[in-house]
Amino acid sequence: GAVVSQHPSWVICKSGTSVKIECRSLDFQATTMFWYRQFPKQSLMLMATSNEGSKATYEQGVEKDKFLINHASLTLSTLTVTSAHPEDSSFYICSASQYRGTEAFFGQGTRLTVV
Amino acid sequence: AQSVSQHNHHVILSEAASLELGCNYSYGGTVNLFWYVQYPGQHLQLLLKYFSGDPLVKGIKGFEAEFIKSKFSFNLRKPSVQWSDTAEYFCAVYSGNTGKLIFGQGTTLQVKP
Repeated sequence: GAVVSQHPSWVICKSGTSVKIECRSLDFQATTMFWYRQFPKQSLMLMATSNEGSKATYEQGVEKDKFLINHASLTLSTLTVTSAHPEDSSFYICSASQYRGTEAFFGQGTRLTVV
Repeated sequence: AQSVSQHNHHVILSEAASLELGCNYSYGGTVNLFWYVQYPGQHLQLLLKYFSGDPLVKGIKGFEAEFIKSKFSFNLRKPSVQWSDTAEYFCAVYSGNTGKLIFGQGTTLQVKP
């Protein structure tokens, strides 16, 4: 299957700083990327849908100024958690689809810990 | 609003038992349906998918799922589970209208050897 690489796998940052997470499709061009947040023992909560070349569509309750998503190319999307706080600590997962509606391939996730 | 519901949160089976995991969605437009699996310590992997055509779809590792449009359901089945099937299973629905891929709550399957 197609490969999606997400970096870093884990990151610890101080409260008030910003953290950037990268999501790359290695062997295909992704027109759509999804960003999820997963709490322990819970499902994946969709944060935003990102289509290449256009602004991300955020889910209700997700602050777009706090979680900046950029999908600048067909192989790269980034999620920047700005002014991170301990409550932002979570597992963030990206996925990428070559075409809208086709199967999404997942990155390995990023464990963010804000101290 | 688009939502996906998985009925079984935690299932414990013995090896060779049959498996059926329920999945219902609440969206009436055009949808694509997926089942993903997450083995311990690994990322999500696609088990199977349904876009159109034969409502009974077969996936990897002996899994299959049946799409019943009238019931808005896409249940996952396997005739005989193995210990290696121990994992978290997620049903997901893509809506053509919203462009969103929404996941169910997930089902933890534990297979006892």
